Amino acid sequence: DAGITQSPRHKVTETGTPVTLRCHQTENHRYMYWYRQDPGHGLRLIHYSYGVKDTDKGEVSDGYSVSRSKTEDFLLTLESATSSQTSVYFCAIREGTGPEQYFGPGTRLTVT
Amino acid sequence: AQTVTQSQPEMSVQEAETVTLSCTYDTSENNYYLFWYKQPPSRQMILVIRQEAYKQQNATENRFSVNFQKAAKSFSLKISDSQLGDTAMYFCALNGNKLVFGAGTILRVKS
Repeated sequence: DAGITQSPRHKVTETGTPVTLRCHQTENHRYMYWYRQDPGHGLRLIHYSYGVKDTDKGEVSDGYSVSRSKTEDFLLTLESATSSQTSVYFCAIREGTGPEQYFGPGTRLTVT
Repeated sequence: AQTVTQSQPEMSVQEAETVTLSCTYDTSENNYYLFWYKQPPSRQMILVIRQEAYKQQNATENRFSVNFQKAAKSFSLKISDSQLGDTAMYFCALNGNKLVFGAGTILRVKS
C-alpha cells in the first residue's frame, strides 16, 4: 500500500463547470502523476510533478492544469469541464529512484 | 516516441490452465523497463511484474512469468494455474522516459 488516496471517488458535473480532483500521499514521494483511463487507450499521462511547484505536461494535457504546493498533495483542475473529459482519473506516485509507479484507487468523473 | 501494443482485446481460460497475454512495444531508449499491471473489477491498478531491459533473464513472480524478447520487442505475460481471482484487465506498460500503456487485454477465468 503506497498510501495514496484520491478524492472525490465519484463526481458528476455539468459542462462548463470547474472541477478539482485531489491526490494525497502520506509517504513523501517526490514524483506524482495524473492519468486518465479511457476504453481502447489504456492510461494516458495528463501531467506530472517532480517536486513542490515543479510540474510538466504529459501526452493529453489540453484542458487540464495542476498544482503542487505541498509534497503530499497534487491537484488536477479542469477549468471548464467538457463531455470529452468524462473518464476515470488515476493518480500515481513513484517511490525513490525505482521506475515503478503505484496507483491510487481512481476517480470516476462524468461530465453531462 | 514510445508505443505499446496489446493485440488481444479479450481472452478466456479455464481455471487451473495456463494463458499467455501478448505485448509488443517500440522505443528508441536503450535503458527501459517493462511492466504488467492488473486491474480487477475494483478498478485498482496492481503491479504484477517488472522486467529490466538490460537483464536477459525473464522475471518471475509466483504464478506470473514473462517472456522478454528484446530484439523482437516482445513482452508476453504467462499466468500458470489460472485462478478465478485472476479475472481482470491486464495492461502492458513501458517506461523509457515516460510510462506508456497498452490498451489492455480483458482476461476471464472460467470455472
